[in-house]
Amino acid sequence: ETGVTQTPRHLVMGMTNKKSLKCEQHLGHNAMYWYKQSAKKPLELMFVYNFKEQTENNSVPSRFSPECPNSSHLFLHLHTLQPEDSALYLCASSQLGGEGYTFGSGTRLTVV
Amino acid sequence: RKEVEQDPGPFNVPEGATVAFNCTYSNSASQSFFWYRQDCRKEPKLLMSVYSSGNEDGRFTAQLNRASQYISLLIRDSKLSDSATYLCVVNPGNTPLVFGKGTRLSVIA
Repeated sequence: ETGVTQTPRHLVMGMTNKKSLKCEQHLGHNAMYWYKQSAKKPLELMFVYNFKEQTENNSVPSRFSPECPNSSHLFLHLHTLQPEDSALYLCASSQLGGEGYTFGSGTRLTVV
Repeated sequence: RKEVEQDPGPFNVPEGATVAFNCTYSNSASQSFFWYRQDCRKEPKLLMSVYSSGNEDGRFTAQLNRASQYISLLIRDSKLSDSATYLCVVNPGNTPLVFGKGTRLSVIA
């Protein structure tokens, strides 16, 4: 596997469910990010992890809970989501001080 | 003033046309700049970095004007496959990259 891998690619969940999104990067990067992109809207930064420590939380509701066990893996735990949380969730990684981010293919989430 | 501003478009151009997008940024201390391309329902992908001296990659040319705080992307001889949203991205230095809202391009046969 190369690059940034996200699973699952698609997820449909009910408002009372608990699910997790997974991201794995094979690039040796030391920073990872979660972004949300709603339909026809720009990217919204949710969380930032540098060297597996959370450095930024952009006022994200507590029903989204990130976890970064090591610098290669990032999870987003979801519980009691709302229909307006339906969106494309993108993971990205970068090398601090380096250039640009590499994005995963995203998880398209639908909350019903 | 928004951190990164782009004309959302859409820009509808015929095949073979030349099209240019501009982007302005507010943080004069920004250190590096990029153009990303995002296809519908896909992830953004790095198209090219933008350097002060300007840089070219095939049909694509990027320019940076630090004094005026704007970045441009020129696409020559547009192809149908160039249809996408182009994101202007700024690296402020010690915080995450700042993404513009994107400019939509549709190249029409």
